[in-house]
Amino acid sequence: KAGVTQTPRYLIKTRGQQVTLSCSPISGHRSVSWYQQTPGQGLQFLFEYFSETQRNKGNFPGRFSGRQFSNSRSEMNVSTLELGDSALYLCASKGGQAENSPLHFGNGTRLTVT
Amino acid sequence: QKEVEQNSGPLSVPEGAIASLNCTYSDRVSQSFFWYRQYSGKSPELIMSIYSNGDKEDGRFTAQLNKASQYVSLLIRDSQPSDSATYLCAVYASGGSYIPTFGRGTSLIVHP
Repeated sequence: KAGVTQTPRYLIKTRGQQVTLSCSPISGHRSVSWYQQTPGQGLQFLFEYFSETQRNKGNFPGRFSGRQFSNSRSEMNVSTLELGDSALYLCASKGGQAENSPLHFGNGTRLTVT
Repeated sequence: QKEVEQNSGPLSVPEGAIASLNCTYSDRVSQSFFWYRQYSGKSPELIMSIYSNGDKEDGRFTAQLNKASQYVSLLIRDSQPSDSATYLCAVYASGGSYIPTFGRGTSLIVHP
């Protein structure tokens, strides 16, 4: 079974630009979550989508948004990039019926904002 | 606010020793517990899950859960240099929580 796939792996953007990251979950997984990871803050939860609906949301500004498509693939968008948005962005999917199933992470997208 | 605490380390152990990684959590009704391993520059990889009090063994890894003390640990026997990584503890509370709370991780260094 293929794992969680994130594209692109690396991105370099300029402050003020916007960026879209993509995530394809494990086949059959309907929940997709997004995390931001920085050395100083650890793993910070952004949002979770389930069946095309945002089910949970973390404490990030509105510049961070996401969506999920009918095939469970998800995208995350960050508008008006700031230097502090430089981070590893991780997508994770989970399957099963239990709400507390383990997360399976993709390889991440390394975003650098200059 | 639900919290998951881990000693940031680094925890340094010699090759062949037992590495003991600890995690405490604040939400008494937490139900599910996971350990992830993250190599530098890579994404977290699930290595253990535990749901009931007691020990769960998988190869060189043993997860230990004590809900009364709100404590979960990961033991790595016969530690190898390839075990050098950051280990993240993740905890799900009960009551409709679909999102785990992660600790900040413990850095483990296994030296030859």
